[in-house]
Amino acid sequence: GQQLNQSPQSMFIQEGEDVSMNCTSSSIFNTWLWYKQEPGEGPVLLIALYKAGELTSNGRLTAQFGITRKDSFLNISASIPSDVGIYFCAGLNQGAQKLVFGQGTRLTINP
Amino acid sequence: GAVVSQHPSWVICKSGTSVKIECRSLDFQATTMFWYRQFPKQSLMLMATSNEGSKATYEQGVEKDKFLINHASLTLSTLTVTSAHPEDSSFYICSAHDLTTYNSPLHFGNGTRLTVT
Repeated sequence: GQQLNQSPQSMFIQEGEDVSMNCTSSSIFNTWLWYKQEPGEGPVLLIALYKAGELTSNGRLTAQFGITRKDSFLNISASIPSDVGIYFCAGLNQGAQKLVFGQGTRLTINP
Repeated sequence: GAVVSQHPSWVICKSGTSVKIECRSLDFQATTMFWYRQFPKQSLMLMATSNEGSKATYEQGVEKDKFLINHASLTLSTLTVTSAHPEDSSFYICSAHDLTTYNSPLHFGNGTRLTVT
């Protein structure tokens, strides 16, 4: 089946640093989504990408939908303590309706 | 924006009992909802697709007689864990699309932490 490879699995950074994480797939997706999950809660949507090559920002977050439709990255600029959490990428093919998730990137920030 | 509500947020039950988890779309109608299971430090695993007015579609390896899904209305899906055992302890999360909004992404409930003693 379809799988997403998300990296890195974990990151330990200093407050104020920029963060970059990415997802790659062996197959094509029509939509890429980035979610953040905090302990004991459900994932919260950060950014949705619908077109190959699309670059979208949400505050300090920027994500891009790869031209090949097989990859996406998420950048966080000037990290702050509340950015701590697990970030998941997810791919969606409209026909299937099912999301395929990456393994997650656990972000830890040292103040 | 689209909001998905899940209840309860946590539940503790004894082995052998059944537990029902509700998932509601609060300000939109959802003909399809999805149920996920998440183990500690792992990603979300899709268990089943809940279809309003018809039978749920289960992923391979998920026991449909153990995880009963009912989607009786356009705003409510329920997951019942029957004859729960300690190995069923997990974090269960539902999600739904707002199909009336073009390209609406999946929105998730806040999850239900199930502990079976």
